[in-house]
Amino acid sequence: EDKVVQSPLSLVVHEGDTVTLNCSYEVTNFRSLLWYKQEKKAPTFLFMLTSSGIEKKSGRLSSILDKKELFSILNITATQTGDSAVYLCAVEPNTNAGKSTFGDGTTLTVKP
Amino acid sequence: NAGVTQTPKFRILKIGQSMTLQCAQDMNHNYMYWYRQDPGMGLKLIYYSVGAGITDKGEVPNGYNVSRSTTEDFPLRLELAAPSQTSVYFCATTAQGWNTGELFFGEGSRLTVL
Repeated sequence: EDKVVQSPLSLVVHEGDTVTLNCSYEVTNFRSLLWYKQEKKAPTFLFMLTSSGIEKKSGRLSSILDKKELFSILNITATQTGDSAVYLCAVEPNTNAGKSTFGDGTTLTVKP
Repeated sequence: NAGVTQTPKFRILKIGQSMTLQCAQDMNHNYMYWYRQDPGMGLKLIYYSVGAGITDKGEVPNGYNVSRSTTEDFPLRLELAAPSQTSVYFCATTAQGWNTGELFFGEGSRLTVL
């Protein structure tokens, strides 16, 4: 059974801080790892990672994958109150159906 | 383009009632999924479909049924609602192909069973 574990479960920081969110996984026949941001409603896509050691970057957010140690991190620098959200990690197996398994998420609260 | 549209957005059911959550997409994606999200938890896969006429169970299928008669629509049926089915339900789609993975979600349907 595929499994995704995220840590910490919740995090409270002040604006300007840098945060690192962790995601470890077990999956049969790995295809990709994905990060999503969930505010009030549906998750929105951040990154898809398929190769080890290659950083994906978008503005103040970046992410990297380690396929040997089976984990990924999501970094957010110079946090803003708008970064407050639940960050979800998911793994997609290399099967015909592409069924993603999600972790329970990290709730990030950024205080002014 | 509307993307993925779910209806209703909110619903309250009594124990034992039945209902259907509707999901429609205009992205021409073959793959469609139903997830549920309980408070403080991630998303759990209920059912999925890789194309019209093809459906299969996910991680938590008990108490639900689906059908996929067209590419666009993937309704989720709840039979004999129970309080354990109180949750937020998300429909999602993804494109078929090698560089897939990104899920496109509807806005969710919040269901309360009393």
